[in-house]
Amino acid sequence: EAGVAQSPRYKIIEKRQSVAFWCNPISGHATLYWYQQILGQGPKLLIQFQNNGVVDDSQLPKDRFSAERLKGVDSTLKIQPAKLEDSAVYLCASSSQTGAYNEQFFGPGTRLTVL
Amino acid sequence: DQQVKQNSPSLSVQEGRISILNCDYTNSMFDYFLWYKKYPAEGPTFLISISSIKDKNEDGRFTVFLNKSAKHLSLHIVPSQPGDSAVYFCAASESGSSNTGKLIFGQGTTLQVKP
Repeated sequence: EAGVAQSPRYKIIEKRQSVAFWCNPISGHATLYWYQQILGQGPKLLIQFQNNGVVDDSQLPKDRFSAERLKGVDSTLKIQPAKLEDSAVYLCASSSQTGAYNEQFFGPGTRLTVL
Repeated sequence: DQQVKQNSPSLSVQEGRISILNCDYTNSMFDYFLWYKKYPAEGPTFLISISSIKDKNEDGRFTVFLNKSAKHLSLHIVPSQPGDSAVYFCAASESGSSNTGKLIFGQGTTLQVKP
């Protein structure tokens, strides 16, 4: 079974530029998550989708971050404009359904450096 | 407000000995707890979990203990192997049917197992 795919793996941009990340979840997984992991901290949930609907985006900085999951499969996360404090690893995860007992499978992440 | 805390950033043990990783939480609504393991340049992978109706769960060399009154859990690895060297994240969730299964992660503990 193929795992969660993410691209690019690394991205370096200057502040105020825009950037987009892509995630392809495990086939058939209805729930998709985007996490932000700042160095020295644990992953923090930014947004959670169930199919193509948003379940939780309470911690997404909506003035600069946006995410979509068209057709309930792939997802993109965008930052516009980027700030220095956005430097982090952005992890995508998927699970078969929403709920605590449904194991979340993580992709390798995209490491973003904002200069 | 850090609801899940791992107060030891790092731990070093000798191969064959026991590794004990600790985690504290503050939210009494958490009733499902997980440990994830993360190697460099990879996403976290699920290791073991425990529900609040239990105080112990074992899986091979890994055992998780939960002390609800102290709001404390620990992960024991016996015997420790060099391949166990990784970052370990504790995570907590509310498992009720109305909840989304959102995971709150601790900061992580880097375990080094020396041959």
